[in-house]
Amino acid sequence: EVQLVQSGAEVKKSGESLKISCKGSGYNFIHYWIGWVRQVPGRGPEWMGIIYPDDSDTRYSPSFQGQVTISADKSISVAFLQWSSLKASDSGIYYCVRVAPDGTFFDFWGQGALVTVAS
Amino acid sequence: EIVLTQSPGSLYVSPGERATLSCRASQSITNSYLAWYQQRPDRAPRLLIYDASTRAAGIPDRFSGSGSGTDFTLTISRLEPEDFAVYYCQQYGGLYSYTFGQGTKLEIK
Repeated sequence: EVQLVQSGAEVKKSGESLKISCKGSGYNFIHYWIGWVRQVPGRGPEWMGIIYPDDSDTRYSPSFQGQVTISADKSISVAFLQWSSLKASDSGIYYCVRVAPDGTFFDFWGQGALVTVAS
Repeated sequence: EIVLTQSPGSLYVSPGERATLSCRASQSITNSYLAWYQQRPDRAPRLLIYDASTRAAGIPDRFSGSGSGTDFTLTISRLEPEDFAVYYCQQYGGLYSYTFGQGTKLEIK
């Protein structure tokens, strides 16, 4: 059974750093792109970026390029999303997603991680 | 970037009836790379349909997708109580570009 299990909710202050994680299991982690999607209340989901764990090839949405860093540790089947300096506007729910083999949709989702940034 | 516009924003339908949800793209979607997701309250989205009309594994056949080019539809026949949720469409625009619609909330009439 494919599973993406994310780290828990976080409450941070503006300017702090944060790294959240997503552990994949039940499939060959290194051979599927894995991505991150943000959701804020009242808006549709937003794709942030994806990484190919085998070689760490990473692609970012222009909206998130330079704002976050996506990485992966293939030895432990974990992907990461990190911020060096959080802003209040980074508050939201962050989902990790597995990209389908043809690369065009997201076939499995993590449970989500709520990030709250206090200004 | 392709913009997806979903309509209506909210849809009120009775259990057992049919629901029709629309997703319109600002330009033609290559190869009908259009997916639909269901999101129940406080849950992660779940894949329902991909390639505009292919049901994902385990999805009941009361869910069907259709369309091509810029106009796509998700139809749910014989609504069950658990189908009342928010539905999102998502497209792949090539070169690692993914966008979602703003969602349609399906509510009990």
